[in-house]
Amino acid sequence: KQEVTQIPAALSVPEGENLVLNCSFTDSAIYNLQWFRQDPGKGLTSLLLIQSSQREQTSGRLNASLDKSSGRSTLYIAASQPGDSATYLCAVEGNSGYALNFGKGTSLLVTP
Amino acid sequence: DTGVSQNPRHKITKRGQNVTFRCDPISEHNRLYWYRQTLGQGPEFLTYFQNEAQLEKSRLLSDRFSAERPKGSFSTLEIQRTEQGDSAMYLCASSSNTGSNKPNEQFFGPGTRLTVL
Repeated sequence: KQEVTQIPAALSVPEGENLVLNCSFTDSAIYNLQWFRQDPGKGLTSLLLIQSSQREQTSGRLNASLDKSSGRSTLYIAASQPGDSATYLCAVEGNSGYALNFGKGTSLLVTP
Repeated sequence: DTGVSQNPRHKITKRGQNVTFRCDPISEHNRLYWYRQTLGQGPEFLTYFQNEAQLEKSRLLSDRFSAERPKGSFSTLEIQRTEQGDSAMYLCASSSNTGSNKPNEQFFGPGTRLTVL
């Protein structure tokens, strides 16, 4: 069974800092990996999707990398802003091609 | 707004009652998923449809849970004889595996928060 772990569970940084969120998974036979953002009491917003054949994806201040062989992904957020405060979830899709397996998330607080 | 929509957004019910939630996917998406999320946890996969066919339902939590997607459009998730442990956020997602340059990127709705008293 695929296990997804996110470290740290919570993170507080001052505005302007660059930061890295970590995701690890136990089964490297994945189809793709998605990073999501979740605001309190809300649904999930897709940030980036990395296919298994890719090494990284970028969107604005966000950069996600994937090392499938070691079972790791990182989400890099540049020049953090208070509006980035949210829970960030990593999810992997196995080769079955449908279910996402989620980590518990990293709760990020960016202080002004 | 052409995103995934879910109704109701909140549902409070008494233990033992039946509840039904609705999900309307992004219109061109052929795949639809249901997940459950409890406090402090990531979403947990429940079931999946491709068009009107329910291709995976073994991870529904018990036989009290059922889902339908008539005509391959909207979907409903029903929980019969609700229990306090069913209290959670129920999330719906949709995706398309046809003609997309981001294969199977899942897009989520706002969720339905269920409280069982």
